[in-house]
Amino acid sequence: DADVTQTPRNRITKTGKRIMLECSQTKGHDRMYWYRQDPGLGLRLIYYSFDVKDINKGEISDGYSVSRQAQAKFSLSLESAIPNQTALYFCATSGWLAGKETQYFGPGTRLLVL
Amino acid sequence: AQSVAQPEDQVNVAEGNPLTVKCTYSVSGNPYLFWYVQYPNRGLQFLLKYITGDNLVKGSYGFEAEFNKSQTSFHLKKPSALVSDSALYFCAVREGEGSQGNLIFGKGTKLSVKP
Repeated sequence: DADVTQTPRNRITKTGKRIMLECSQTKGHDRMYWYRQDPGLGLRLIYYSFDVKDINKGEISDGYSVSRQAQAKFSLSLESAIPNQTALYFCATSGWLAGKETQYFGPGTRLLVL
Repeated sequence: AQSVAQPEDQVNVAEGNPLTVKCTYSVSGNPYLFWYVQYPNRGLQFLLKYITGDNLVKGSYGFEAEFNKSQTSFHLKKPSALVSDSALYFCAVREGEGSQGNLIFGKGTKLSVKP
């Protein structure tokens, strides 16, 4: 079973619609992240959370909001989707194991806003 | 502020030849550097990281990366490329001091290995 799962994997929506992308993890990590990937721009951080009560804006948070419902769940919302939010979205967690810290990424959600 | 640069949008290599994917970094303090790979229609996968110690770091799938402090580089290498290595490769640096903070990614380099 995957350690970090994202739903849906693909989504097509229309401009102005509200949409939520969900992320769940079984790693038991406190830290979770949302990134978006655009061609030629690499990965950019949208929001991150270091524990359930801690939410922080990343590089490109405008137009997005997040909710950390539990340690294992971190959802990303687009309140009113616009076409330039068309991208591949990745959720990630990070944690320590045997003195080493590593990020684990979900499979990605491909979002198309028409 | 921490940053990484991947100067090549694409690297083309013949199967069996050595490959290098370039990355340079800019950090204040000690760098924490990473390489990730994204295969077509897949999520990101961790390849390797450098924190301290040997300048040559060995990672998954036969990849290694050489940390060069004087040149502020962390190039990804493999002695003999495989067609299955064709993917998008991201270099990243950890933001902030020590092991805290988020990852800052480069824009990615597309590696194409031809038979």
